[in-house]
Amino acid sequence: DAKTTQPNSMESNEEEPVHLPCNHSTISGTDYIHWYRQLPSQGPEYVIHGLTSNVNNRMASLAIAEDRKSSTLILHRATLRDAAVYYCILQHNYGQNFVFGPGTRLSVLP
Amino acid sequence: KAGVTQTPRYLIKTRGQQVTLSCSPISGHRSVSWYQQTPGQGLQFLFEYFSETQRNKGNFPGRFSGRQFSNSRSEMNVSTLELGDSALYLCASSLRQGTNTGELFFGEGSRLTVL
Repeated sequence: DAKTTQPNSMESNEEEPVHLPCNHSTISGTDYIHWYRQLPSQGPEYVIHGLTSNVNNRMASLAIAEDRKSSTLILHRATLRDAAVYYCILQHNYGQNFVFGPGTRLSVLP
Repeated sequence: KAGVTQTPRYLIKTRGQQVTLSCSPISGHRSVSWYQQTPGQGLQFLFEYFSETQRNKGNFPGRFSGRQFSNSRSEMNVSTLELGDSALYLCASSLRQGTNTGELFFGEGSRLTVL
């Protein structure tokens, strides 16, 4: 399975933008890039996903590099509620067997 | 729309016992996946069921099993419990139709403690 690498932790100030990077240099042409986050004491929550083009939704934006070997999750204005572990995952062959890495623990400072 | 419901939320068992966990997916979702989360190993995929058939299986011993019923509800069973099976067990449902790349909806999990 293609793997992803993310920084262990990041910090942001409240109401500032946050850019969470993810490297996936072994991604294959049909792998989708998914982002999930897990708030304390909760199950993971879907954030966004994409294939080649940048994607926007009400929660975040996903910027995908032209060669698809990296992507960036963008939270436009971080709130305290955005403090969570963020996981970047590659979905292979439309499978539901996601491989979660350690993720990035995002701290948001008031 | 009700979310994914897992029962029980918390349970304590002793080594050697068995346990059954239940998951009710979101109405209309036919795919149910199970994950184990531990501090040491993180989130690990156990198995996925779609229309009562196991579609994928993770790298877990045969003591871990599951099934899905015709109403899409799913159960997972762990037999001969070991201390290392203490974990949060998460269930996720999705539409999973053909080449659907849609999101997984996770429940809050069942926290199992093995003494």
